Amino acid sequence: LAKTTQPISMDSYEGQEVNITCSHNNIATNDYITWYQQFPSQGPRFIIQGYKTKVTNEVASLFIPADRKSSTLSLPRVSLSDTAVYYCLVGATTSGTYKYIFGTGTRLKVLA
Amino acid sequence: GAVVSQHPSWVICKSGTSVKIECRSLDFQATTMFWYRQFPKQSLMLMATSNEGSKATYEQGVEKDKFLINHASLTLSTLTVTSAHPEDSSFYICSPGAGHEQYFGPGTRLTVT
Repeated sequence: LAKTTQPISMDSYEGQEVNITCSHNNIATNDYITWYQQFPSQGPRFIIQGYKTKVTNEVASLFIPADRKSSTLSLPRVSLSDTAVYYCLVGATTSGTYKYIFGTGTRLKVLA
Repeated sequence: GAVVSQHPSWVICKSGTSVKIECRSLDFQATTMFWYRQFPKQSLMLMATSNEGSKATYEQGVEKDKFLINHASLTLSTLTVTSAHPEDSSFYICSPGAGHEQYFGPGTRLTVT
């Protein structure tokens, strides 16, 4: 299964742009890259998903270089409510089932 | 995204008893159901994968006789923790999936006393 590596934690200030980079050196051809956000005692919440190049939605952008061995989640102008754990996931197919194995995640703390 | 519910959202039980957690995918037909557990300050750990109508496949180190999973339909799956012990206290999260789509439930906090 593809494995992901992210920084354990990051601090930022309100209003700043935050970029979280994830390494996934063993990503397979059919793998997508998906980012989730998790608040304490809640299930993960989908942020964005991409396969290559750049994807943007109303809350974030995802940058994926041509080799797809890494990806960067960009959160524009963070606020205190963006304090959460962010997971980069690369799914993989084993025994015919596509599934996600979670890595450590990045604990983002937004300061006032 | 899909709407996923879990019931109960939290439960306290005595050691030795069994607890059933229900997961419903309200607007998404889940061909596959994943169950995760999460200990405080840790990441989610995949426990098992089940396809509708089939037996679940458990990850290494997860006791299949202790964590019974039923995935009877495309919208309902249950996880039963049998003979629960304090070390089973955790946050359990279901995750219905189909193809490259995977969604997560709100989680169930289990405390075994």
